[in-house]
Amino acid sequence: DQQVKQNSPSLSVQEGRISILNCDYTNSMFDYFLWYKKYPAEGPTFLISISSIKDKNEDGRFTVFLNKSAKHLSLHIVPSQPGDSAVYFCAAPSGGSEKLVFGKGTKLTVNP
Amino acid sequence: GAGVSQSPSNKVTEKGKDVELRCDPISGHTALYWYRQRLGQGLEFLIYFQGNSAPDKSGLPSDRFSAERTGESVSTLTIQRTQQEDSAVYLCASSLAGGRETQYFGPGTRLLVL
Repeated sequence: DQQVKQNSPSLSVQEGRISILNCDYTNSMFDYFLWYKKYPAEGPTFLISISSIKDKNEDGRFTVFLNKSAKHLSLHIVPSQPGDSAVYFCAAPSGGSEKLVFGKGTKLTVNP
Repeated sequence: GAGVSQSPSNKVTEKGKDVELRCDPISGHTALYWYRQRLGQGLEFLIYFQGNSAPDKSGLPSDRFSAERTGESVSTLTIQRTQQEDSAVYLCASSLAGGRETQYFGPGTRLLVL
């Protein structure tokens, strides 16, 4: 049973426009969420996080929104750039070891 | 400074053979995680080491999988009697102290079992 779901396997946007990547979760015990970005043949790199005590966290062009009642979070990238083309994973720490539970990822393509 | 490194970057093996994958974490990081990513899937947790504590092995899929860590340095993940379903990218991550500290990932080892 997937606890973190990314239902869109891919997303294509034009350079300069907004990219919105969505993530849903089922475990109401999750209280912290992260987004990782992954380029081909590289490991994921941390992008931005949000604690459940907040509903928004912003870092430059990247903003994550959290809707706890809907168990939904989204990552907004504005303006999108071709270098943002990558696979984006939503994740939440779980258990005593805080191991990360990942979604399947969304492949973002930003077209010049 | 150097990031997390993993070796080999690619490994092709025959079904039934044993393989050993290596991870060198960032120096000073006490926590080390192994994950795997099968094709089209998200990353799945395998095992977690934190200092001298007993490892969290709850993600290991079968007893063919084992891992060791020497102190707070190198870790090896061993898969015995490999099966085709073991084909995946195996990723190692380290963090400064575990918990909610950011996990830094290596580039992974791409394993193909024929």
